[in-house]
Amino acid sequence: GQQVMQIPQYQHVQEGEDFTTYCNSSTTLSNIQWYKQRPGGHPVFLIQLVKSGEVKKQKRLTFQFGEAKKNSSLHITATQTTDVGTYFCAGTSNTGKLIFGQGTTLQVKP
Amino acid sequence: GAVVSQHPSRVICKSGTSVKIECRSLDFQATTMFWYRQFPKQSLMLMATSNEGSKATYEQGVEKDKFLINHASLTLSTLTVTSAHPEDSSFYICSADQMEGAQETQYFGPGTRLLVL
Repeated sequence: GQQVMQIPQYQHVQEGEDFTTYCNSSTTLSNIQWYKQRPGGHPVFLIQLVKSGEVKKQKRLTFQFGEAKKNSSLHITATQTTDVGTYFCAGTSNTGKLIFGQGTTLQVKP
Repeated sequence: GAVVSQHPSRVICKSGTSVKIECRSLDFQATTMFWYRQFPKQSLMLMATSNEGSKATYEQGVEKDKFLINHASLTLSTLTVTSAHPEDSSFYICSADQMEGAQETQYFGPGTRLLVL
């Protein structure tokens, strides 16, 4: 079936370092969404990318959607301790279902 | 953004009992809601799609007689875990779709932690 793979599974960085998580789908996606889940919390919607090659920024976060609409990335510049959490990508399949990646858990050392 | 609530937030029950979880969209109407299950340190797994006024659509491997879903109104969907067993212990999260212009966004509830003893 349709799969969305996300790497890395875990990332430990020093505060101030950059962080990137990558998402790859086995099939073309109609859109990709990114969520952040804090420990003990629920996923919170960050952004949705729809167009091929789209790049969107939210302060220190940069989101990209690949030209083939099969991969995406989230890049955080100069991480802060408040960035700690698990970041999930989720792709909307051709059946309309949201398929989540496995998530990347980010730890930031102060 | 839109708000989705879930009740209860935590529940502990004995094996063999049934547990009902409510998911409400507080400030918008949702014809479609989704139920997910999340094991510790794992991703969200879609269990079923709840459609207002019609039967839920279950994902492969999810027992519809075990996880009863009712979507009686445009703001409420319920998930009942029937005859719960310890292996049903998990974090159950619902979400609801809202159209914002041309963009369809899923808003998640705070989740329900179920522990079956």
